[in-house]
Amino acid sequence: AQSVSQHNHHVILSEAASLELGCNYSYGGTVNLFWYVQYPGQHLQLLLKYFSGDPLVKGIKGFEAEFIKSKFSFNLRKPSVQWSDTAEYFCAVNAPHLDDKIIFGKGTRLHILP
Amino acid sequence: DTAVSQTPKYLVTQMGNDKSIKCEQNLGHDTMYWYKQDSKKFLKIMFSYNNKELIINETVPNRFSPKSPDKAHLNLHINSLELGDSAVYFCASSQVGRAREAFFGQGTRLTVV
Repeated sequence: AQSVSQHNHHVILSEAASLELGCNYSYGGTVNLFWYVQYPGQHLQLLLKYFSGDPLVKGIKGFEAEFIKSKFSFNLRKPSVQWSDTAEYFCAVNAPHLDDKIIFGKGTRLHILP
Repeated sequence: DTAVSQTPKYLVTQMGNDKSIKCEQNLGHDTMYWYKQDSKKFLKIMFSYNNKELIINETVPNRFSPKSPDKAHLNLHINSLELGDSAVYFCASSQVGRAREAFFGQGTRLTVV
Protein backbone atom coordinates (compact mmCIF):
# COMPACT_ATOMS: atom_id res chain seq x y z
CA ALA A 1 0.00 0.00 0.00
CA GLN A 2 1.14 3.52 -0.63
CA SER A 3 2.22 5.87 2.15
CA VAL A 4 3.62 9.39 2.42
CA SER A 5 6.27 10.80 4.75
CA GLN A 6 6.82 14.46 5.42
CA HIS A 7 10.03 14.97 7.31
CA ASN A 8 9.49 18.43 8.71
CA HIS A 9 6.66 18.76 11.18
CA HIS A 10 7.15 22.42 11.98
CA VAL A 11 9.19 24.93 10.00
CA ILE A 12 9.80 28.54 11.01
CA LEU A 13 11.26 30.97 8.51
CA SER A 14 11.63 34.69 8.10
CA GLU A 15 10.05 36.49 5.19
CA ALA A 16 12.08 36.30 1.95
CA ALA A 17 13.79 33.08 3.06
CA SER A 18 13.80 30.14 0.66
CA LEU A 19 11.64 27.14 1.44
CA GLU A 20 11.96 23.45 0.79
CA LEU A 21 9.57 20.93 2.35
CA GLY A 22 10.42 17.27 2.02
CA CYS A 23 8.01 14.56 0.86
CA ASN A 24 8.71 10.90 0.20
CA TYR A 25 6.25 8.24 -0.86
CA SER A 26 6.49 4.48 -0.72
CA TYR A 27 4.83 3.04 -3.81
CA GLY A 28 6.91 1.70 -6.71
CA GLY A 29 4.30 1.94 -9.46
CA THR A 30 2.76 4.85 -11.30
CA VAL A 31 1.76 7.67 -8.98
CA ASN A 32 -0.03 10.97 -9.01
CA LEU A 33 1.48 13.42 -6.54
CA PHE A 34 -0.01 16.50 -4.95
CA TRP A 35 0.76 19.33 -2.58
CA TYR A 36 -2.14 20.90 -0.74
CA VAL A 37 -2.18 23.94 1.52
CA GLN A 38 -4.52 24.56 4.44
CA TYR A 39 -4.62 28.13 5.70
CA PRO A 40 -5.69 28.57 9.34
CA GLY A 41 -9.34 27.64 9.77
CA GLN A 42 -9.83 26.79 6.12
CA HIS A 43 -10.17 23.74 3.91
CA LEU A 44 -7.46 22.16 1.79
CA GLN A 45 -6.61 23.76 -1.52
CA LEU A 46 -4.48 22.30 -4.27
CA LEU A 47 -1.11 24.01 -4.77
CA LEU A 48 0.18 21.79 -7.55
CA LYS A 49 0.09 18.28 -8.92
CA TYR A 50 2.21 15.89 -10.92
CA PHE A 51 0.89 13.01 -13.03
CA SER A 52 3.27 12.77 -16.01
CA GLY A 53 5.67 14.73 -18.16
CA ASP A 54 8.02 17.40 -16.88
CA PRO A 55 9.07 16.39 -13.36
CA LEU A 56 9.37 20.04 -12.35
CA VAL A 57 5.87 21.24 -11.66
CA LYS A 58 4.87 24.85 -11.11
CA GLY A 59 1.88 25.69 -9.00
CA ILE A 60 0.05 28.68 -7.67
CA LYS A 61 1.54 31.44 -5.51
CA GLY A 62 5.10 30.85 -6.73
CA PHE A 63 5.37 27.27 -5.46
CA GLU A 64 7.02 24.49 -7.41
CA ALA A 65 7.84 20.84 -6.76
CA GLU A 66 10.20 18.36 -8.31
CA PHE A 67 9.38 14.70 -8.82
CA ILE A 68 12.49 12.55 -8.49
CA LYS A 69 11.42 9.01 -9.24
CA SER A 70 14.69 7.40 -8.17
CA LYS A 71 14.36 8.99 -4.75
CA PHE A 72 10.58 8.54 -4.43
CA SER A 73 10.47 12.23 -3.60
CA PHE A 74 8.29 15.21 -4.41
CA ASN A 75 9.73 18.16 -2.49
CA LEU A 76 7.97 21.51 -2.42
CA ARG A 77 9.97 24.70 -2.96
CA LYS A 78 9.51 28.44 -3.00
CA PRO A 79 12.41 30.83 -3.51
CA SER A 80 11.10 33.62 -1.29
CA VAL A 81 8.31 33.10 1.24
CA GLN A 82 5.82 35.67 2.46
CA TRP A 83 4.04 36.06 5.76
CA SER A 84 0.82 34.98 4.00
CA ASP A 85 2.37 31.56 3.30
CA THR A 86 1.87 30.66 6.97
CA ALA A 87 -0.22 27.49 6.75
CA GLU A 88 -0.20 23.70 6.97
CA TYR A 89 1.18 21.93 3.91
CA PHE A 90 0.23 18.39 2.94
CA CYS A 91 1.85 16.09 0.44
CA ALA A 92 -0.44 13.42 -1.02
CA VAL A 93 -0.17 10.43 -3.34
CA ASN A 94 -2.57 8.42 -5.44
CA ALA A 95 -1.69 5.17 -7.21
CA PRO A 96 -4.17 5.26 -10.10
CA HIS A 97 -3.73 1.63 -11.12
CA LEU A 98 -4.13 0.42 -7.57
CA ASP A 99 -7.16 2.17 -6.05
CA ASP A 100 -9.02 5.44 -5.58
CA LYS A 101 -7.24 6.38 -2.38
CA ILE A 102 -5.54 9.73 -2.02
CA ILE A 103 -3.20 9.27 0.91
CA PHE A 104 -1.92 12.30 2.80
CA GLY A 105 1.26 12.88 4.75
CA LYS A 106 1.04 14.14 8.32
CA GLY A 107 1.54 17.73 7.20
CA THR A 108 4.15 20.40 7.81
CA ARG A 109 3.23 23.50 9.75
CA LEU A 110 4.95 26.50 8.19
CA HIS A 111 5.26 29.66 10.25
CA ILE A 112 6.61 32.76 8.54
CA LEU A 113 7.90 35.53 10.76
CA PRO A 114 7.16 39.04 9.50
CA ASP B 1 -20.97 28.47 -6.71
CA THR B 2 -19.37 26.15 -4.15
CA ALA B 3 -17.92 23.01 -5.75
CA VAL B 4 -18.03 20.78 -2.67
CA SER B 5 -20.33 21.89 0.11
CA GLN B 6 -20.80 20.38 3.55
CA THR B 7 -23.37 21.07 6.21
CA PRO B 8 -23.25 21.90 8.99
CA LYS B 9 -19.98 23.78 9.38
CA TYR B 10 -20.02 23.38 13.16
CA LEU B 11 -21.67 20.65 15.19
CA VAL B 12 -21.64 20.45 18.98
CA THR B 13 -23.41 17.49 20.52
CA GLN B 14 -23.47 15.29 23.58
CA MET B 15 -21.99 11.84 23.91
CA GLY B 16 -24.32 9.09 22.84
CA ASN B 17 -26.21 11.17 20.30
CA ASP B 18 -26.60 10.32 16.61
CA LYS B 19 -25.72 12.97 14.04
CA SER B 20 -25.35 13.34 10.27
CA ILE B 21 -23.13 15.46 8.08
CA LYS B 22 -24.18 16.14 4.51
CA CYS B 23 -21.99 16.63 1.48
CA GLU B 24 -22.80 17.61 -2.06
CA GLN B 25 -20.57 18.20 -5.07
CA ASN B 26 -21.56 19.92 -8.29
CA LEU B 27 -18.42 19.05 -10.23
CA GLY B 28 -19.81 15.95 -11.89
CA HIS B 29 -17.13 13.82 -10.22
CA ASP B 30 -17.59 10.09 -9.88
CA THR B 31 -15.76 9.59 -6.59
CA MET B 32 -16.40 11.10 -3.18
CA TYR B 33 -14.51 10.72 0.09
CA TRP B 34 -14.73 11.36 3.78
CA TYR B 35 -11.57 12.31 5.65
CA LYS B 36 -11.10 12.88 9.37
CA GLN B 37 -8.62 15.52 10.54
CA ASP B 38 -7.63 15.21 14.17
CA SER B 39 -6.29 17.87 16.52
CA LYS B 40 -2.76 17.28 15.23
CA LYS B 41 -3.96 18.05 11.69
CA PHE B 42 -3.45 14.46 10.56
CA LEU B 43 -5.76 13.67 7.62
CA LYS B 44 -7.01 10.10 7.54
CA ILE B 45 -9.19 8.69 4.81
CA MET B 46 -12.35 7.05 6.11
CA PHE B 47 -14.44 6.13 3.10
CA SER B 48 -14.50 6.40 -0.64
CA TYR B 49 -17.51 5.99 -2.90
CA ASN B 50 -17.40 5.62 -6.64
CA ASN B 51 -20.67 6.06 -8.48
CA LYS B 52 -22.65 5.37 -5.29
CA GLU B 53 -20.69 2.20 -4.55
CA LEU B 54 -18.50 1.86 -1.48
CA ILE B 55 -14.94 1.33 -2.63
CA ILE B 56 -12.78 2.05 0.40
CA ASN B 57 -13.69 1.49 4.00
CA GLU B 58 -10.73 2.06 6.24
CA THR B 59 -10.63 0.81 9.80
CA VAL B 60 -13.43 3.01 11.00
CA PRO B 61 -15.84 1.96 13.77
CA ASN B 62 -19.13 0.72 12.38
CA ARG B 63 -20.83 3.57 14.25
CA PHE B 64 -19.85 5.55 11.15
CA SER B 65 -22.04 4.80 8.16
CA PRO B 66 -21.72 6.62 4.85
CA LYS B 67 -24.69 6.87 2.55
CA SER B 68 -24.63 7.91 -1.08
CA PRO B 69 -28.13 8.50 -2.46
CA ASP B 70 -26.66 9.57 -5.79
CA LYS B 71 -23.34 10.37 -7.41
CA ALA B 72 -23.40 13.97 -6.20
CA HIS B 73 -24.06 13.29 -2.53
CA LEU B 74 -22.21 11.45 0.21
CA ASN B 75 -23.56 11.79 3.72
CA LEU B 76 -21.94 10.58 6.91
CA HIS B 77 -24.06 9.31 9.75
CA ILE B 78 -22.50 8.74 13.15
CA ASN B 79 -24.24 6.73 15.87
CA SER B 80 -23.55 6.83 19.60
CA LEU B 81 -21.05 9.65 19.41
CA GLU B 82 -17.95 9.43 21.60
CA LEU B 83 -15.54 12.08 22.84
CA GLY B 84 -12.85 10.72 20.51
CA ASP B 85 -15.02 11.47 17.51
CA SER B 86 -14.33 15.19 17.98
CA ALA B 87 -12.46 16.30 14.87
CA VAL B 88 -12.90 18.15 11.61
CA TYR B 89 -14.52 16.01 8.94
CA PHE B 90 -13.80 16.85 5.33
CA CYS B 91 -15.73 15.71 2.32
CA ALA B 92 -13.90 15.62 -1.00
CA SER B 93 -14.55 14.58 -4.57
CA SER B 94 -12.39 13.59 -7.50
CA GLN B 95 -12.67 12.21 -11.00
CA VAL B 96 -11.12 9.07 -12.46
CA GLY B 97 -8.51 10.21 -14.88
CA ARG B 98 -4.89 10.93 -15.30
CA ALA B 99 -4.60 13.11 -12.23
CA ARG B 100 -7.01 12.36 -9.49
CA GLU B 101 -6.85 15.62 -7.57
CA ALA B 102 -9.35 15.97 -4.76
CA PHE B 103 -11.52 19.00 -4.22
CA PHE B 104 -12.37 19.55 -0.58
CA GLY B 105 -15.37 20.93 1.21
CA GLN B 106 -15.04 23.52 3.96
CA GLY B 107 -15.08 20.92 6.69
CA THR B 108 -17.39 20.19 9.59
CA ARG B 109 -15.97 20.76 13.04
CA LEU B 110 -17.58 18.17 15.29
CA THR B 111 -17.27 18.63 19.03
CA VAL B 112 -18.61 15.92 21.30
CA VAL B 113 -19.13 16.99 24.92
